[in-house]
Amino acid sequence: DAMVIQNPRYQVTQFGKPVTLSCSQTLNHNVMYWYQQKSSQAPKLLFHYYDKDFNNEADTPDNFQSRRPNTSFCFLDIRSPGLGDAAMYLCATSRDLQLEQYFGPGTRLTVT
Amino acid sequence: ILNVEQSPQSLHVQEGDSTNFTCSFPSSNFYALHWYRWETAKSPEALFVMTLNGDEKKKGRISATLNTKEGYSYLYIKGSQPEDSATYLCALSQAGGTSYGKLTFGQGTILTVHP
Repeated sequence: DAMVIQNPRYQVTQFGKPVTLSCSQTLNHNVMYWYQQKSSQAPKLLFHYYDKDFNNEADTPDNFQSRRPNTSFCFLDIRSPGLGDAAMYLCATSRDLQLEQYFGPGTRLTVT
Repeated sequence: ILNVEQSPQSLHVQEGDSTNFTCSFPSSNFYALHWYRWETAKSPEALFVMTLNGDEKKKGRISATLNTKEGYSYLYIKGSQPEDSATYLCALSQAGGTSYGKLTFGQGTILTVHP
């Protein structure tokens, strides 16, 4: 049974049109992460939530925002997608920091 | 900026061949080294978490070793099967500082096993 679910699996959006990616978890984990992976590159951490505390990486563009309305759900909002934001977006959870992370299957975002 | 490097970037082998690939990382402030297998259209799946220098872990035909002093880990697959085809990612977590609790990934090794 899927424990970290990402919807949709594929998303196409237009240049400049806001888009939201969704992640949900059934593990009741405290920490939720969002990673961006561009083609042939390493997955890169954008931000994470520890419970309700939001932690942004220093080099994450302002264009990327996140919301975590409850333990189970976390959203990635891209306010004005550019062509360079086309990537695979991975959501992960862990019970606590430094513990094993469980990943969803990712959402592949295309920007036209 | 942490640099986690994996080599080779891609690998094609025949069914039955044994293979191995490398993950290198900065040895300072080490906490753990993670290996993930990521099959197409699926979630990355944790293979191993390694914390001690000299650690050797095994799961079926896959094993991994860790050298924290020189900053490398090897992943071995014995008798590769087509179902082993996947991207293998390693990720470093550090003991403290601004990287605490975060995974820094390598770019992955794409393995294709031909029948």
